[in-house]
Amino acid sequence: ETGVTQSPTHLIKTRGQQVTLRCSSQSGHNTVSWYQQALGQGPQFIFQYYREEENGRGNFPPRFSGLQFPNYSSELNVNALELDDSALYLCASSPPWGNTGELFFGEGSRLTVL
Amino acid sequence: AQSVTQLDSQVPVFEEAPVELRCNYSSSVSVYLFWYVQYPNQGLQLLLKYLSGSTLVKGINGFEAEFNKSQTSFHLRKPSVHISDTAEYFCAAGNAGGTSYGKLTFGQGTILTVHP
Repeated sequence: ETGVTQSPTHLIKTRGQQVTLRCSSQSGHNTVSWYQQALGQGPQFIFQYYREEENGRGNFPPRFSGLQFPNYSSELNVNALELDDSALYLCASSPPWGNTGELFFGEGSRLTVL
Repeated sequence: AQSVTQLDSQVPVFEEAPVELRCNYSSSVSVYLFWYVQYPNQGLQLLLKYLSGSTLVKGINGFEAEFNKSQTSFHLRKPSVHISDTAEYFCAAGNAGGTSYGKLTFGQGTILTVHP
């Protein structure tokens, strides 16, 4: 069983640029959630995708957007990057059975904005 | 709205000593509660979860936690720690029921450092 995989693992951007982060969910999982973890902080919920639709959003501006594809993989896009966007971005998938809230996390994409 | 507070940002302890990492939550609805562990440069791994039923839950690596509804707490314990338990630990809460699963509120994290 393949776990959650994210790419790239590290990247450096400059302020004002745009970035796309990718996530492949664990086999059989149809829901993908994205979290931002700033240095020294706990993860913060950005948004969740279910059946290719956004299913809930945290307190993040519209320049954070996402997609989910028919194979349940997902992308996180951030436009007009700001210095405070520097963080570890975590993708997590969850299975369609039960309602346990359990998330299966990838190892993250570490974004540095200069 | 929910909030999760981890009362200690860092906990140093000697190997084979017991440890407790404290977590309080607030929520206007019923919650599921979780403890995750994060090793350096890795994602989060589930240690244990409370959904319903017995208030004492056991997880992996010898950890356990007790749900206390009256005190709105979910403290994590281990009777004897190992060097390999050195990591950052996160308490998290999610709304029970509905379509809110997957949307967790995390605490700030507690760095557990086990000294030889």
